[in-house]
Amino acid sequence: GAGVSQTPSNKVTEKGKYVELRCDPISGHTALYWYRQSLGQGPEFLIYFQGTGAADDSGLPNDRFFAVRPEGSVSTLKIQRTERGDSAVYLCATARLAGGNEQFFGPGTRLTVL
Amino acid sequence: QKEVEQDPGPLSVPEGAIVSLNCTYSNSAFQYFMWYRQYSRKGPELLMYTYSSGNKEDGRFTAQVDKSSKYISLFIRDSQPSDSATYLCAMIGGYSGAGSYQLTFGKGTKLSVIP
Repeated sequence: GAGVSQTPSNKVTEKGKYVELRCDPISGHTALYWYRQSLGQGPEFLIYFQGTGAADDSGLPNDRFFAVRPEGSVSTLKIQRTERGDSAVYLCATARLAGGNEQFFGPGTRLTVL
Repeated sequence: QKEVEQDPGPLSVPEGAIVSLNCTYSNSAFQYFMWYRQYSRKGPELLMYTYSSGNKEDGRFTAQVDKSSKYISLFIRDSQPSDSATYLCAMIGGYSGAGSYQLTFGKGTKLSVIP
């Protein structure tokens, strides 16, 4: 595809439920990032993948958050036991190379936890 | 104090005006500087990317970096209603052990260009 795609575009869930958010990167991009953007704030880093491995997960807020990229392409962000404070837009960005400074963002998944 | 400070606005200007958007930062390790534009309910779109101090021009957009003052700017000439969006500054530090090159963003400035 031409750009980064994310599904679903919107997700409404109840407190305590489990959710999965998907990111399809630009073809050939090896670096993949997840960010979280709360209302009125800039995106904040969550986790970085280089290929299949999570090279930097220092931004994950707690162990309820987990992400995978099993084949080095599509990535899934998983949130267990969701809380109302998890409500935000979750953005995926990819870059052509490791250390590639030009990151291209997807449209995001808007998560609402009721 | 956050690593990157950006006035959230909102900023409202008439069509054709020159717009000046600014960010300050505290981490001297930041080496790469970007400006992203974000329309409502869309992902950020990369506008400008600079490495060194100085100016970089691309059409109606000029990015300025002053590393000695830890201050970056984006100028938009002949602003158009289609420029109405939130503008986010973002920075990347030097190589870290994890080598992640993650972006650190400002809050974003909401700009409205009035016809």
